[in-house]
Amino acid sequence: RKEVEQDPGPFNVPEGATVAFNCTYSNSASQSFFWYRQDCRKEPKLLMSVYSSGNEDGRFTAQLNRASQYISLLIRDSKLSDSATYLCVVPNTGGFKTIFGAGTRLFVKA
Amino acid sequence: EPEVTQTPSHQVTQMGQEVILRCVPISNHLYFYWYRQILGQKVEFLVSFYNNEISEKSEIFDDQFSVERPDGSNFTLKIRSTKLEDSAMYFCASSPLGGNEKLFFGSGTQLSVL
Repeated sequence: RKEVEQDPGPFNVPEGATVAFNCTYSNSASQSFFWYRQDCRKEPKLLMSVYSSGNEDGRFTAQLNRASQYISLLIRDSKLSDSATYLCVVPNTGGFKTIFGAGTRLFVKA
Repeated sequence: EPEVTQTPSHQVTQMGQEVILRCVPISNHLYFYWYRQILGQKVEFLVSFYNNEISEKSEIFDDQFSVERPDGSNFTLKIRSTKLEDSAMYFCASSPLGGNEKLFFGSGTQLSVL
């Protein structure tokens, strides 16, 4: 299994749709997880942190399943401005290295 | 809101030349990082830096690369003899506590090696 693996996408959805992205990780000892958003040729920006079973922030919900080593990101009521690449990020346990998934591209259309 | 700043935003250089990419991390952060992203590919870890020394580096970070924190505020990445394959966006990041904490990224330096 790759260290961090994401749905390859792209996802093409209409405005108002609900969309979910999946991410699996290989290190069972990982304690924290992050979703970042990256716009084209820009820096990654933190969207959500996940330290326990999940986290919710407005239209965004992240869920963690430690047994399956799986994290998901749910976006409800998609907006045009949600169009971006979503990066699943897992810090290396005990170290200083953070592993980025390859990202899932989302296109929201009017 | 405090931010990580990077200069220059774009750097064009000839193959074999040395380049220095500069970063000013957030002032009370203790951990500093360099990442790179080749066009169309994933963000890749290069190196982490804490307490004035490298704490971890990837296989990409070979002898051609070095990092330095020369004056307590700047954090630099030097590539001694650039190759075509070094062309990428280089991101600096910092975090207050390292480890499992979130990263704050600068806006990046686009390096083009001709």
